[in-house]
Amino acid sequence: DAGITQSPRHKVTETGTPVTLRCHQTENHRYMYWYRQDPGHGLRLIHYSYGVKDTDKGEVSDGYSVSRSKTEDFLLTLESATSSQTSVYFCAISESTLTDTQYFGPGTRLTVL
Amino acid sequence: QKEVEQNSGPLSVPEGAIASLNCTYSDRVSQSFFWYRQYSGKSPELIMSIYSNGDKEDGRFTAQLNKASQYVSLLIRDSQPSDSATYLCAVNPKGRQFYFGTGTSLTVIP
Repeated sequence: DAGITQSPRHKVTETGTPVTLRCHQTENHRYMYWYRQDPGHGLRLIHYSYGVKDTDKGEVSDGYSVSRSKTEDFLLTLESATSSQTSVYFCAISESTLTDTQYFGPGTRLTVL
Repeated sequence: QKEVEQNSGPLSVPEGAIASLNCTYSDRVSQSFFWYRQYSGKSPELIMSIYSNGDKEDGRFTAQLNKASQYVSLLIRDSQPSDSATYLCAVNPKGRQFYFGTGTSLTVIP
């Protein structure tokens, strides 16, 4: 998985609770991404980062926030989880531009009850 | 209109046959095109990228790009049961994020 880890790998939580997912890379790549994958929708971009403290929204950013305080770590936070946020979340990295090949982490399966 | 469209399948082919997977995209200025393979319960892994019109071959895989028709395809020759997976097409319009199709499920029957 190109030196990418995600934690936790599985999580079950209740509606209204905060949740933070972590992505860690050892490749020193500039860009990091958070996607969610749902049946019938494919992979959809939530947020991405192009450097420390530099982030931007993707197509499904509502209800999510991100932070990147170090090159190697990119955090995704659900401030108040809802059942519609039950999904599989993938982190991805790319070397230096938005157009570079993206490599994916192993994923986190999140269930919100 | 979706940025990227794929036939969801399932597509079934016998072992040893050629599997043909297709993808269309809506943004004419798209410059980069990618095929990923995703096994059930796993993360997507890159198979091939293609940037220019024509064919690009890598082992048993051939990617074909036709920008005029806004069409990209993946051919898998001598299909093996281990090729059974979902194949994701991704398109990168100039200066913008990747857009992924919903994937085509392929089953190779021994």
